[in-house]
Parts: sequence; C-alpha cells; structure tokens
Amino acid sequence: KAGVTQTPRYLIKTRGQQVTLSCSPISGHRSVSWYQQTPGQGLQFLFEYFSETQRNKGNFPGRFSGRQFSNSRSEMNVSTLELGDSALYLCASFNPTGGEEKLFFGSGTQLSVL
Amino acid sequence: SQQGEEDPQALSIQEGENATMNCSYKTSINNLQWYRQNSGRGLVHLILIRSNEREKHSGRLRVTLDTSKKSSSLLITASRAADTASYFCATTSGGGADGLTFGKGTHLIIQP
Repeated sequence: KAGVTQTPRYLIKTRGQQVTLSCSPISGHRSVSWYQQTPGQGLQFLFEYFSETQRNKGNFPGRFSGRQFSNSRSEMNVSTLELGDSALYLCASFNPTGGEEKLFFGSGTQLSVL
Repeated sequence: SQQGEEDPQALSIQEGENATMNCSYKTSINNLQWYRQNSGRGLVHLILIRSNEREKHSGRLRVTLDTSKKSSSLLITASRAADTASYFCATTSGGGADGLTFGKGTHLIIQP
C-alpha cells in the first residue's frame, strides 16, 4: 500500500504570493490532517478533513485554508504569504475505522518564503 | 500552543546504551503518542498509550504514563545508530484524528 504522498517536496515563493500544497492519503483513509512545523513554534495543528468536511481547526489565521476532494485527496492553500509562513508542512492520514489511533505522515512540503 | 514539553531537548549516548526521554503536558488527555522524525522528514508513529494505562511495551520501546503528574517517558533500550532522530510526544483530549498537540521534541544522537 502506498504511503501518504505530498507534492511538491520543495517550494520557494515570495511575500504576498499564494501557494497550494497537495496531499494524497493512504488508500482507504478518509481523514487528512495538516500540520505546520517551524524551528520556533514546533509542530502545530492546522486543520483536519473527513469526508470533504473540515472537522477540526487549529489556531491559524484565515489565510490558511484547505479542502478535501471526494477521493480523499486534500489541498491546503496559504494566501498572501508572509516570511513567517516558511515551514515544513506535513500532511497525515488516518483511518477512523481501522482500529488504530495513529497518524501516517507524508514527507512534507518545505516552503520557503523570500 | 505547545502542550507537551520534552526533556531533555538533546541527548547523546553511545550505541548499545539505553535512552530515556520525558514528556510533560498540561491538560487532561485521552491518549499520548510518541513519534519519531528523521532529519526534517515525516513523522513515524511509535507507540500509543491510553489515559487509563500506566505502561506499554513495543519491541525495544517502553512507555510509561503518570496522569497524576501529567508526564510520560519513553525508554529505548539497546540503542542503535538508526535510532538517531527527533522524538516527539503528542497528546489529544479527543479521539481519532482530533488535532494532536506536539511537544518540541528530544533530539537523540547515537554515537557509534
């Protein structure tokens, strides 16, 4: 079974631009979560989607948004990029009916904002 | 905001020795999980312990949980060079994929 796939692996943008990151969960996993990792703040929860609906949301400004498609693939979008948005963005998938409460993470998208 | 705080922030030991990492958290939890991260890659789930459990084992890993002290420890026995990584504890007060709250991690270096 293929793991969680995130694209692109690296991304360089300039302030004010917007960016879209993509995540394909493990086949059969209908829950996708997004996390931001920075050296200063560590790992922080952005949001979680299940069956195309946002179920949980972390404490991030409205510039951070996401969506999930009917095939469970998810995208997150950051508009009006700021230097502080430079981070590793991690996607994780979860199978609520699988009996195991653990997240499977992708390798992440490293976003650099110049 | 960070709920879990790992201690120590960094740990360097010789191959074959045991490594112990501690985690403290602030609010009541449903479960506590430990994850490993190699060099800024994705996290790998290691072990989960529920709030009503006190100790759990998985291979060379032993996790303890003390809910009265709001703390947990992860013991890796007979360490190997491949164990070099950052280790994070993560808590959730809900279930399933409710947003995990991660600590800042312990960076473990195993010297050959």
